[in-house]
Amino acid sequence: NAGVTQTPKFQVLKTGQSMTLQCAQDMNHNSMYWYRQDPGMGLRLIYYSASEGTTDKGEVPNGYNVSRLNKREFSLRLESAAPSQTSVYFCASSDPGQGVGQPQHFGDGTRLSIL
Amino acid sequence: EDKVVQSPLSLVVHEGDTVTLNCSYEVTNFRSLLWYKQEKKAPTFLFMLTSSGIEKKSGRLSSILDKKELSSILNITATQTGDSAIYLCAVTRRGGSEKLVFGKGTKLTVNP
Repeated sequence: NAGVTQTPKFQVLKTGQSMTLQCAQDMNHNSMYWYRQDPGMGLRLIYYSASEGTTDKGEVPNGYNVSRLNKREFSLRLESAAPSQTSVYFCASSDPGQGVGQPQHFGDGTRLSIL
Repeated sequence: EDKVVQSPLSLVVHEGDTVTLNCSYEVTNFRSLLWYKQEKKAPTFLFMLTSSGIEKKSGRLSSILDKKELSSILNITATQTGDSAIYLCAVTRRGGSEKLVFGKGTKLTVNP
């Protein structure tokens, strides 16, 4: 059971470089999410996609773009990386359904350092 | 703006102790409160609490939702070193997507 798969696991970039973080889920979930986690800050939502073909901004979207390529895949792009984007990035997916919904399932994260 | 506050931020105990972690929230149109455990990598789901399910238990872990006080507690009895982790609390709203608003987490260290 793969669940949510993120690539790469680690990456070092120089300021100004661009990079795309990949995420794929095999649980047939409609919704997908990108979070970043910084020390002492918990997880903060960057962008989310409630369903294939739709994307919306979260709490901290500046400096990022996303693409919901199909139901399985949701990528996060840094067009011009900045040191402030050094973080651990988590992708998650869920199937909201009706009523109380379902919990999100997370990938193992991508540790990104920008020099 | 939705807000989730966890306390304490860190906690060190000895194996066998019982711990209580706290989570308070302010959210418009509250739908659910979730607890996650994060060790080295991905947060893993523990419990979801809603108006129709305010108490959950799994082994040594249990959680209660107090809708009047807008808070939740996570209890761990007879702690083990494997319980060492960051425990995250998050809330969702009614209507729309399942966006999670997280607290900053409680780092629990269980010493042998």
